[in-house]
Amino acid sequence: QSVLTQPPSASRTPGQRVTISCSGSSSNIGSNTVNWYQQLPGTAPKLLIYSNNQRPSGVPDRFSGSKSGTSASLAISGLQSEDEADYYCAAWDDSLNGWVFGGGTKLTVL
Amino acid sequence: QLQLQESGPGLVKPSETLSLTCTVSGGSISSNSDYWGWIRQPPGKGLEWIGSIYYSGSTYYNPSLKSRVTISVDTSKNQFSLKVSSVTAADTAVYHCARTTVDVRRYYYMDVWGKGTTVTVSS
Repeated sequence: QSVLTQPPSASRTPGQRVTISCSGSSSNIGSNTVNWYQQLPGTAPKLLIYSNNQRPSGVPDRFSGSKSGTSASLAISGLQSEDEADYYCAAWDDSLNGWVFGGGTKLTVL
Repeated sequence: QLQLQESGPGLVKPSETLSLTCTVSGGSISSNSDYWGWIRQPPGKGLEWIGSIYYSGSTYYNPSLKSRVTISVDTSKNQFSLKVSSVTAADTAVYHCARTTVDVRRYYYMDVWGKGTTVTVSS
């Protein structure tokens, strides 16, 4: 049972847009920033979005993040087959005094 | 650029202690703005933060693992290490080390990850 809640799966066709949600509480998302990671099969997680909506150098602007209250979202537009991966949200939790992750969302691009 | 590499035994017997080391290259583990941490991923499951350490030795641990986990740092070798005691099959996972850094607004995030090493707990 993850502290942050994500839908387990999402499915779209190439070119479409998808939004992945991440729900938390006042002790994590409500009071700290959210980071998003992309994990391709058999590889390490890769930072996709940090500080709610910032893209690291090299991440396409098709990826965007937002936060409102105790929830956050990752949006991917113009889906491509190489976007097929697991996506995780993460935030610092002030009550646990540590990092918490969402359970992950498996994105399928048909 | 900064790289992290995990190393250690791939097989540990139940009740024994799991020991892993993360070697940092292309940068200094003594950076004032960075923390160094461990994250694990059981087969087919999600990510779980284990704990983090600052170069000075101050640590943060996942409360659910705190009684069994020790993270230490060796600045002379640019390495930090993980020990998990009294392991069971539930500790079988891919173990990643990662850097936590901070942006200009003092928001933290894990940005560089090691490729991970698989640890199996079995007799």
